[in-house]
Amino acid sequence: ETGVTQTPRHLVMGMTNKKSLKCEQHLGHNAMYWYKQSAKKPLELMFVYNFKEQTENNSVPSRFSPECPNSSHLFLHLHTLQPEDSALYLCASSLSPTGYEQYFGPGTRLTVT
Amino acid sequence: QQPVQSPQAVILREGEDAVINCSSSKALYSVHWYRQKHGEAPVFLMILLKGGEQKGHEKISASFNEKKQQSSLYLTASQLSYSGTYFCGTELGGGSNYKLTFGKGTLLTVNP
Repeated sequence: ETGVTQTPRHLVMGMTNKKSLKCEQHLGHNAMYWYKQSAKKPLELMFVYNFKEQTENNSVPSRFSPECPNSSHLFLHLHTLQPEDSALYLCASSLSPTGYEQYFGPGTRLTVT
Repeated sequence: QQPVQSPQAVILREGEDAVINCSSSKALYSVHWYRQKHGEAPVFLMILLKGGEQKGHEKISASFNEKKQQSSLYLTASQLSYSGTYFCGTELGGGSNYKLTFGKGTLLTVNP
């Protein structure tokens, strides 16, 4: 595998479910990100990790819980979501969190019913 | 702090040129440009760091006017493959400001 991979690609969950999104990067980068992309809205940064440490939480509700066990893996744990959380969730990575291009994964299309 | 992109949409015929603008009310450290095709992830095009440089990528180039906090993306002799939504992303500063903020995007459609 090369680049940034995400699983699952599609996810349907009820509001009472607990699920996790997984992201893995094979680029040797040190920074990883979670973005939310809703219809007709710009890409919204959710979390930033640099060398496994969270450096940015963009006022994200606590029903979204990130985890970064190492520089190559990033998870987004989901629980008690709302229908308005339905969106495309994109993972990205970069060599450093400032001044470097970001490489995006294919995303997970999440539908909350 | 979200950058403002213009125009919101543009339709071209193959071979025509287009300019997409991105402006910020804050002093910028860098400007990123990405293209996203429908159903796909955003793809990096280029990054411009403060210093007023201009960069090129095949027939796509960009400039960064540090004084005006503006960046422009130039697409010349457009091809069908250029169709997609173009996003600019801005960083306000280095150091601990780890936040890339994206504009709403410009939908570019290139027709035969």
